[in-house]
Amino acid sequence: EDKVVQSPLSLVVHEGDTVTLNCSYEVTNFRSLLWYKQEKKAPTFLFMLTSSGIEKKSGRLSSILDKKELFSILNITATQTGDSAVYLCAVRNAGGTSYGKLTFGQGTILTVHP
Amino acid sequence: DAGITQSPRHKVTETGTPVTLRCHQTENHRYMYWYRQDPGHGLRLIHYSYGVKDTDKGEVSDGYSVSRSKTEDFLLTLESATSSQTSVYFCAITPRQGSNTEAFFGQGTRLTVV
Repeated sequence: EDKVVQSPLSLVVHEGDTVTLNCSYEVTNFRSLLWYKQEKKAPTFLFMLTSSGIEKKSGRLSSILDKKELFSILNITATQTGDSAVYLCAVRNAGGTSYGKLTFGQGTILTVHP
Repeated sequence: DAGITQSPRHKVTETGTPVTLRCHQTENHRYMYWYRQDPGHGLRLIHYSYGVKDTDKGEVSDGYSVSRSKTEDFLLTLESATSSQTSVYFCAITPRQGSNTEAFFGQGTRLTVV
């Protein structure tokens, strides 16, 4: 059974801090790892990672994948109150009829105080 | 929003009554998924479909059934609702097999079983 574990489960920081969110996984037939941000509604897509060691970057957010050690990190620099959200990590299975099936971690609740 | 509509958006129902949630898509995507989201659990897969009349169970399928009689609609039925099924339900789609893109989510249905 595919499994995704995120840490920490919650994090409280002040504006301007840098945070690192962790995601470790076990999946039978790995296709990709995805990060989502959720603010009291549907998850919104941040990054998709398929190759080890290649950093994906979008503004203050960046992410990298290590397929040997089976984990990914999401970094947020110079945090703002608008970064407060639940961050979800998911792995995509590539096998047969399970194709596209996403297994999610528990999520990390990030709270950024002014 | 990738052309995904969930209905209803909110529902309160009594224990023991049947409930059907609908997910409608306009993009002719093959793969559709039903997830539930509860505090501390991230998103958990209930059922998924890989084509018309082709469905399979996810990790938390007990108490739920699904049907997909046409490409655009994926229905989730709670045969006899219980309080443990109080949750937020998300429908998601992924494009055709072989296309490694992000999953797109509907806006969610908040279901309360009293």
